[in-house]
Amino acid sequence: ILNVEQSPQSLHVQEGDSTNFTCSFPSSNFYALHWYRWETAKSPEALFVMTLNGDEKKKGRISATLNTKEGYSYLYIKGSQPEDSATYLCACPGGGADGLTFGKGTHLIIQP
Amino acid sequence: GAVVSQHPSRVICKSGTSVKIECRSLDFQATTMFWYRQFPKQSLMLMATSNEGSKATYEQGVEKDKFLINHASLTLSTLTVTSAHPEDSSFYICSARIGYEQYFGPGTRLTVT
Repeated sequence: ILNVEQSPQSLHVQEGDSTNFTCSFPSSNFYALHWYRWETAKSPEALFVMTLNGDEKKKGRISATLNTKEGYSYLYIKGSQPEDSATYLCACPGGGADGLTFGKGTHLIIQP
Repeated sequence: GAVVSQHPSRVICKSGTSVKIECRSLDFQATTMFWYRQFPKQSLMLMATSNEGSKATYEQGVEKDKFLINHASLTLSTLTVTSAHPEDSSFYICSARIGYEQYFGPGTRLTVT
């Protein structure tokens, strides 16, 4: 059974500050890692799909890095804004036909 | 971008009845869709893989006779919770796959009374 873990579980950040959080996964048989941003009552929004060790991807103020040898990925948010408040999920393929195994998420709250 | 809809968004039903949830890919075709559920304070858990034109593949511990999946077209998969019981109350969410990516619907909150 694939075990994907995220920390911290929740995070309060002051508007304008930068922040980061972690996703850890088994380093053996790595295939891909997905990051999603999920706001209440909306569909999870795909942020990144990462496949290569050392990969770094960026979308606006959000970026992510990947270390497949040690089994972790960091998500960074620079200059947090209230609209960044959401739950951030990471997931790895591990189910049938590459269904995803998710972590429990990091619930981020940006305080004005 | 790729959009997936889900209907209904919220449903309350009585114990013993059946409920059908629809998942549609609106602007693309998907041969493979997935169904997940989430219990409070838990992660999204894969229930089954829905394959267009063939039988669904269920994860261990998920009863195929209770959670009926039909994927009759390239844009629609349905999940029917049969003879629902209060322990089936959960958040159900679907996704559709394009290559590496999975695009999610907004989910359905099922409450069984």
